[in-house]
Order: sequence, then C-alpha cells, then structure tokens
Amino acid sequence: GQSLEQPSEVTAVEGAIVQINCTYQTSGFYGLSWYQQHDGGAPTFLSYNGLDGLEETGRFSSFLSRSDSYGYLLLQELQMKDSASYFCAVRDSGGATNKLIFGTGTLLAVQP
Amino acid sequence: AAGVIQSPRHLIKEKRETATLKCYPIPRHDTVYWYQQGPGQDPQFLISFYEKMQSDKGSIPDRFSAQQFSDYHSELNMSSLELGDSALYFCASSLVQGIEAFFGQGTRLTVV
Repeated sequence: GQSLEQPSEVTAVEGAIVQINCTYQTSGFYGLSWYQQHDGGAPTFLSYNGLDGLEETGRFSSFLSRSDSYGYLLLQELQMKDSASYFCAVRDSGGATNKLIFGTGTLLAVQP
Repeated sequence: AAGVIQSPRHLIKEKRETATLKCYPIPRHDTVYWYQQGPGQDPQFLISFYEKMQSDKGSIPDRFSAQQFSDYHSELNMSSLELGDSALYFCASSLVQGIEAFFGQGTRLTVV
C-alpha cells in the first residue's frame, strides 16, 4: 500500500524554527511536495524536491533523501500566520498524470 | 491571475439525492484532479483527467462519476448520497509536467 506519515501536531513559538518530517512508502515516486492549508481553505503549494538535497524558498526549506524515503519541511522565523496544516505529498504515477498522494498532515500551532 | 474556480462553494443535500460539483481549471492547464477531504483528514485522490481524457482513478465510489468537457471544465457527479459523503471536495489543475497543483477553494458538501 501507499502511506505517508507525518507527526500529527507541532507547537512552536513566534520566531522559532520548526521541522516537520515525512516518511513515505509509495508504489511510484516522482518527487515530494509540501502544501500548506489553513482551516477550511485550499491547499497551497510551498515547495518541491525532485532530487536529493535541500531546496530553499524564503523562510521555508525542504529536504529529500530518496534512499531513506524521507523528507522534511523547515520553517524559520515562525509567524502567527504560519499556524496551519502542512501536508507532504508524493507525486505518484497514474496514467498520463502524476497524481498527488497526501500525507496524514501536521497541524502547526504558533504561539506568541 | 485566474485561479481554479469551483461551484457551488456550499451545498446541502439529503440522503439519496444527487449532487453535481463544477470545476473551472486555470486556462491552459491540461490536467484536472478531484480530491475529497473529510474533517481533520488529508485530501484523498478521487480521479484525474489529462486533455479531457480520464487518466487515473483513486478511491472514488462507484456512485460517483466525473468528466471533463471540451472547454476543459470538469464536473463531479455524485448519486445516492450518503451521510459519509459530507466533506470538502477540491478540484486542482496543473500542467502535466508542472510540479505545482493549484487548488480551488473547494465545495463543502453536507449530506443530511
């Protein structure tokens, strides 16, 4: 089967750094993405790793190790507006398209 | 910039009724995905289309069907609705080789 595991909840304070881990087991793999979702809102794209290593986009960085089937999202200089759910998602093969298979999600609470 | 548009935003139906959800992808995007997200759950892949042809199916019940029309908009048809179908339904679009999927604001379906 396919599974992507994340911690269910993480709490941190403003200005801190937090790391959200993701381990995956999927039938196909065409890269690991991260999405942010505020309560009741649409998932929005944060980052993508197709190859091993670190990708940096502003305050957010994402890392991938394909040999370990593992990745993480690093959020720096946390702000209150970062409170949201964060999903890792594997791009998996599916006909002509690579569908996204989402992880279990991590609810991040940023406290003052 | 134009985003993915879904309608309606909210829908209330009774058990055993039928519902139709509509999705208008971003212009020139060739791939459409449908996802179902229950309360506190991760988005579950239902079905995808590439260039108006069904590409892949996920955990979509037989009571559901979907299609993509010549103008690229897509519709998710849900029949014999059950209480458990109450969820947020997201449509997303992308370029088939793109790394980012753009999600609509979703349709919140409540079955009573």
